[in-house]
Amino acid sequence: QKEVEQDPGPLSVPEGAIVSLNCTYSNSAFQYFMWYRQYSRKGPELLMYTYSSGNKEDGRFTAQVDKSSKYISLFIRDSQPSDSATYLCAMSAGGYGNKLVFGAGTILRVKS
Amino acid sequence: DSGVTQTPKHLITATGQRVTLRCSPRSGDLSVYWYQQSLDQGLQFLIQYYNGEERAKGNILERFSAQQFPDLHSELNLSSLELGDSALYFCASSNPGQGPPGEQYFGPGTRLTVT
Repeated sequence: QKEVEQDPGPLSVPEGAIVSLNCTYSNSAFQYFMWYRQYSRKGPELLMYTYSSGNKEDGRFTAQVDKSSKYISLFIRDSQPSDSATYLCAMSAGGYGNKLVFGAGTILRVKS
Repeated sequence: DSGVTQTPKHLITATGQRVTLRCSPRSGDLSVYWYQQSLDQGLQFLIQYYNGEERAKGNILERFSAQQFPDLHSELNLSSLELGDSALYFCASSNPGQGPPGEQYFGPGTRLTVT
């Protein structure tokens, strides 16, 4: 079993839809949770960052972390065709080295 | 543009050969990370260097090695290449203590094809 599980999709939605992306994890030591966005033929870029449990909002994006359920989510409101990309969740226990463990990535397609 | 550069962009080579991938981190970043991304394995952490010293190791094969030089650029050496080594190789950099833990800046990647 992988440390981080993420449905690879693809997920196809119409423009303006609310998108929900999720990851589950097994390592209770993880305390830093991130969402990276990767456009085709590009490197990943950090989209959202959350420490421990709770919600964080940034514009149309909301990240949620539920450590008791070992479950994290990313919500995209009013999705746009420019949101079409692969979304990777990533987690870290922090500390020396601060190794990131990534999910498989979910391919999102927003149709105009 | 993340500020991280990687060369070459594409590399095609034969099984059994050896290649070197190069990475220049963002200005001021002391940490360099190497990742392998393939369709079946996703983005896998290989190794991290901090200011010239190895700091963390992931799923890096013994045929692979890396180093970080005094000017902070890094090289990933892949030897005795196999078909299964075909993948995208990403370099990322960060400056621990600046920005949130886990924030890494990724380069555009090197696409390696082994034939």
